[in-house]
Amino acid sequence: DAGVTQSPTHLIKTRGQQVTLRCSPKSGHDTVSWYQQALGQGPQFIFQYYEEEERQRGNFPDRFSGHQFPNYSSELNVNALLLGDSALYLCASSFGAGTQETQYFGPGTRLLVL
Amino acid sequence: AQTVTQSQPEMSVQEAETVTLSCTYDTSENNYYLFWYKQPPSRQMILVIRQEAYKQQNATENRFSVNFQKAAKSFSLKISDSQLGDTAMYFCAFSNYQLIWGAGTKLIIKP
Repeated sequence: DAGVTQSPTHLIKTRGQQVTLRCSPKSGHDTVSWYQQALGQGPQFIFQYYEEEERQRGNFPDRFSGHQFPNYSSELNVNALLLGDSALYLCASSFGAGTQETQYFGPGTRLLVL
Repeated sequence: AQTVTQSQPEMSVQEAETVTLSCTYDTSENNYYLFWYKQPPSRQMILVIRQEAYKQQNATENRFSVNFQKAAKSFSLKISDSQLGDTAMYFCAFSNYQLIWGAGTKLIIKP
């Protein structure tokens, strides 16, 4: 049973560029949440997708957008990258909308913006 | 605003000892969930234990147990018989509709 997978594992971009991160949920899960974890800090909730719609959103600008596909996989897009976007981006999957359910995390994508 | 506070940035104990990590939270909600997650150096976030606020009984998972004090809004994690593999960052998280995370406690288990 495959767990949550994310790609790529590492990424280097320059300011102003756009980036797309990908996530495949654990088998049987239908909900994907995205988090940003800056170095030395706890994760910050970006948004959650369920039934191909954004259900919840944290305090992130519109430069952060996402998508969920019919197979429940998800993408996180960040436009006009800033140096402050450098972080570990975590994807988590669960069954059912909301965050009260146990979330299973992927290994993350490390993004460095130069 | 809902907040989660972990007041111990770093702790270290000898292998086989018992260690308790502290977590307090602030919310006006009555129904919510609390979690402890572990993040080893490999970065993969792993669920340690989950507590539902409406349940008075403290959750336990093998060597891991919590002391949930709802009135005090406290949710501490106790690790018994600590092992080298327990070395990691430990995050306390509160869930209502979003997962709100603490800043984490770095736990080092010394041989």
